[in-house]
Amino acid sequence: DIQMTQSPSSVSASVGDRVTITCRASQSIASWLAWYQQKPGKAPKLLIYAASSLQSGVPSRFSGSGSGTDFTLTISSLQPEDFATYYCQQANSFLLTFGGGTKVEIK
Amino acid sequence: QVTLKESGPMLVKPTETLTLTCSVSGFSLSNDRMGVSWIRQPPGKALEWLAHIFSNDEKSYNTSLKNRLTISKDTSKSQVVLTMTNLDPVDTASYYCARMMSTLLALDYWGQGALVTVSS
Repeated sequence: DIQMTQSPSSVSASVGDRVTITCRASQSIASWLAWYQQKPGKAPKLLIYAASSLQSGVPSRFSGSGSGTDFTLTISSLQPEDFATYYCQQANSFLLTFGGGTKVEIK
Repeated sequence: QVTLKESGPMLVKPTETLTLTCSVSGFSLSNDRMGVSWIRQPPGKALEWLAHIFSNDEKSYNTSLKNRLTISKDTSKSQVVLTMTNLDPVDTASYYCARMMSTLLALDYWGQGALVTVSS
């Protein structure tokens, strides 16, 4: 099975900061990577699909990049509502796996 | 408007079988671009994908749990059912169902989740 490794596991940042989260796959997944945001007690919300496509309704400060095994989620200017946990997910061969999550905390 | 809602028991005893139902609306389970996955999340831990069912009834399972899982659907009722056998306290988690579009290979709509506790 494909393993997804996210880093860092947590990051402290201030409003307005640029935040970058990385996700590495144990083998190539082409561009079949998605990013989700989850707030406490809520279901995850899709932010990015196909590595770099922004889901409808998601603010443009979120962006994704990468292909193969290395991927990045960037929040260009952190807003108060962005403090949450972020997960990557791959869908190679319809055996999905998630990363371990990155918690974005207030500095 | 697309919605998914999980239902099932909140408390299950060890060794018992869990049956969860995902009721969907706003799309058809027979739509060939759409399928439904089950995902779980133990308290304070990461998401774990469990199983997926496609519109053509093909199924896919988490390799580590496949011997304990069965996913099925009733298109006429707009429901997807997950059964998990031989429950253990480590299976305590919030269980989510979510829609996947084959063109996205991502889960674009999620249910609110159902917390299942495994305890004697």
